[in-house]
Amino acid sequence: SQQGEEDPQALSIQEGENATMNCSYKTSINNLQWYRQNSGRGLVHLILIRSNEREKHSGRLRVTLDTSKKSSSLLITASRAADTASYFCATDDTGFQKLVFGTGTRLLVSP
Amino acid sequence: DTGVSQDPRHKITKRGQNVTFRCDPISEHNRLYWYRQTLGQGPEFLTYFQNEAQLEKSRLLSDRFSAERPKGSFSTLEIQRTEQGDSAMYLCASSFTLGETQYFGPGTRLLVL
Repeated sequence: SQQGEEDPQALSIQEGENATMNCSYKTSINNLQWYRQNSGRGLVHLILIRSNEREKHSGRLRVTLDTSKKSSSLLITASRAADTASYFCATDDTGFQKLVFGTGTRLLVSP
Repeated sequence: DTGVSQDPRHKITKRGQNVTFRCDPISEHNRLYWYRQTLGQGPEFLTYFQNEAQLEKSRLLSDRFSAERPKGSFSTLEIQRTEQGDSAMYLCASSFTLGETQYFGPGTRLLVL
C-alpha cells in the first residue's frame, strides 16, 4: 500500500520556471526521502530529510518538512529540460528503513 | 562504477517458468532491499537483509518468491512458476546502515508472457 501521496500527479512547465511538488503522508516518520526516476530507469536519490529537520537544500533543490501537517515539499528552481522525470517521496515509518513510496509526480519541462 | 548493479536488466519469460535476478550492492553496505514497481506506481517494499540475515518480508512476497544474500554480499531474488501478474520492475537498493540513504540500482524489468 502507498503511504504518501504526491500532488500534483502531473506538472508541465517551461524551462527556467520553478517546480513545486508536495507529498503528504499518514503516520509518524523517522525520515523522508525524495527520489527522481527517469522513464523506465532506476531511482536517483535527491535529498533525505530527518524528522527533526525542517528544511534542506541541495543545489537547485529545496525540501521542506512539516511533521505537524505530515507533509513535505520539493522545490526545483530554474528548471531544465533534463529535470523531466517522475519524482517520488518515500517515508521510513518503521525505523527499519522500509521505505514507503507515494505514487509520484510526473514533471515535464519544455524547452 | 561503485553503484548498485542488477542483472539482467530485462527478462522475458513464459508463464510457469522460474526466473532469478541478481543484485550487487555498494561495497560495504550492510543493508540490502528489494522493491517491486508496476507501471504508474511507486515502488513497493518486498524484503530486506542486514548482512546475510533476511529480517522482514512483505505480504507481497508469496511463497513463490525467495530471496537470499549468502555471505552478506550480493543477493538473488527468485520467482518460481511465474505468473503474468509478476510482470514489473524489480529494484534493489542498499544502504550503509539504518537511517541512511538507500541507493537504488537500475532495476530488472520482467515481462511474463
